[in-house]
Amino acid sequence: RKEVEQDPGPFNVPEGATVAFNCTYSNSASQSFFWYRQDCRKEPKLLMSVYSSGNEDGRFTAQLNRASQYISLLIRDSKLSDSATYLCVVNEKAYNTDKLIFGTGTRLQVFP
Amino acid sequence: NAGVTQTPKFQVLKTGQSMTLQCAQDMNHEYMSWYRQDPGMGLRLIHYSVGAGITDQGEVPNGYNVSRSTTEDFPLRLLSAAPSQTSVYFCASQVRGVGNEQFFGPGTRLTVL
Repeated sequence: RKEVEQDPGPFNVPEGATVAFNCTYSNSASQSFFWYRQDCRKEPKLLMSVYSSGNEDGRFTAQLNRASQYISLLIRDSKLSDSATYLCVVNEKAYNTDKLIFGTGTRLQVFP
Repeated sequence: NAGVTQTPKFQVLKTGQSMTLQCAQDMNHEYMSWYRQDPGMGLRLIHYSVGAGITDQGEVPNGYNVSRSTTEDFPLRLLSAAPSQTSVYFCASQVRGVGNEQFFGPGTRLTVL
């Protein structure tokens, strides 16, 4: 079983739609969680951290379910500019450092 | 601040050649790392460093060497390039500690023939 699993998509949605991605992780001792965004042929950039209580940033909402070991990202009122790949990232503390485990990403394509 | 910079952006090598991918950051971050990204595989950690003079292996270290003589620089050396090393390489840095953001460089696209 992969340490971090995501549906690769693509999710093709019209502008204005609401879309949700899920991600599951295998290590119950994982300590922190993130969503990164990666545009085509660019580097990943932090979209948002995911807190136990859930958090919202504008049109984006992230949730964490530790019992079921999954995190989610909800995007409301999708824009064309939201088209990208969304990477689920889990931080596992390993020895004296932090170990980030990346999912393979979920591709989102928003069409007019 | 320039953030994390990488050179070159593109490189083509022949099998058996060696080269160094450069990475530098100007944010005084202790933690730096190198990843490779292949289709369908996600980013995989090659080597990382928790500070100047300290390096350690990640998930896929074979065929690569690193050194960290300064806080700013973290070069990645390919000893004898192989076609399996064709990939996109990202360098990243962060402040040490759980929950801190990793900042990535723009990447180096490497093709080994």
